[in-house]
Amino acid sequence: DAKTTQPNSMESNEEEPVHLPCNHSTISGTDYIHWYRQLPSQGPEYVIHGLTSNVNNRMASLAIAEDRKSSTLILHRATLRDAAVYYCIPRTGNQFYFGTGTSLTVIP
Amino acid sequence: KAGVTQTPRYLIKTRGQQVTLSCSPISGHRSVSWYQQTPGQGLQFLFEYFSETQRNKGNFPGRFSGRQFSNSRSEMNVSTLELGDSALYLCASSPISTGTGLGEAFFGQGTRLTVV
Repeated sequence: DAKTTQPNSMESNEEEPVHLPCNHSTISGTDYIHWYRQLPSQGPEYVIHGLTSNVNNRMASLAIAEDRKSSTLILHRATLRDAAVYYCIPRTGNQFYFGTGTSLTVIP
Repeated sequence: KAGVTQTPRYLIKTRGQQVTLSCSPISGHRSVSWYQQTPGQGLQFLFEYFSETQRNKGNFPGRFSGRQFSNSRSEMNVSTLELGDSALYLCASSPISTGTGLGEAFFGQGTRLTVV
């Protein structure tokens, strides 16, 4: 029972913006949307999270649709270090689902 | 500030044995959550402990158990190991509890368990 839908893979050129989409149509009204990323051979790393309005931090921006059924993680200028698997994780009640994530390739 | 420390990093066990994995969270963090990562199932939540109490549990059999000590260090135990338990086991720490240990959680590098 998948809770999220993300593209399996995406590519971006270095120093260009990247928009990583996620559909989470079963999210409830009070659940936060988290984004984590996992670099090769490392544990996941927190990127950003939000509830309703758009959020910005030093790593990325999170744009949340008005109906909250989808969100987009925005990396403003992709670097080689951003090559990773990106997970969109809505918390639904006391359960959540990491999903398969999007594998981002950054082309020099 | 030291990160999340998991020991051991690698482990090989035989079917039927039991194993204990350890996680030391970031100083001051009271929430520790555990995850299993396999190529087929991806990242799956096992359980979260906060202030020595289990706050939430994922959909795993009772062979998987855990505990948290007063210093917030946590251990995870798997009894009667099966081949399918081979995985990367990740621990994450957080200053607060959300029931799932997420929010801004910090992950360790994991323990790679191989069951033969």
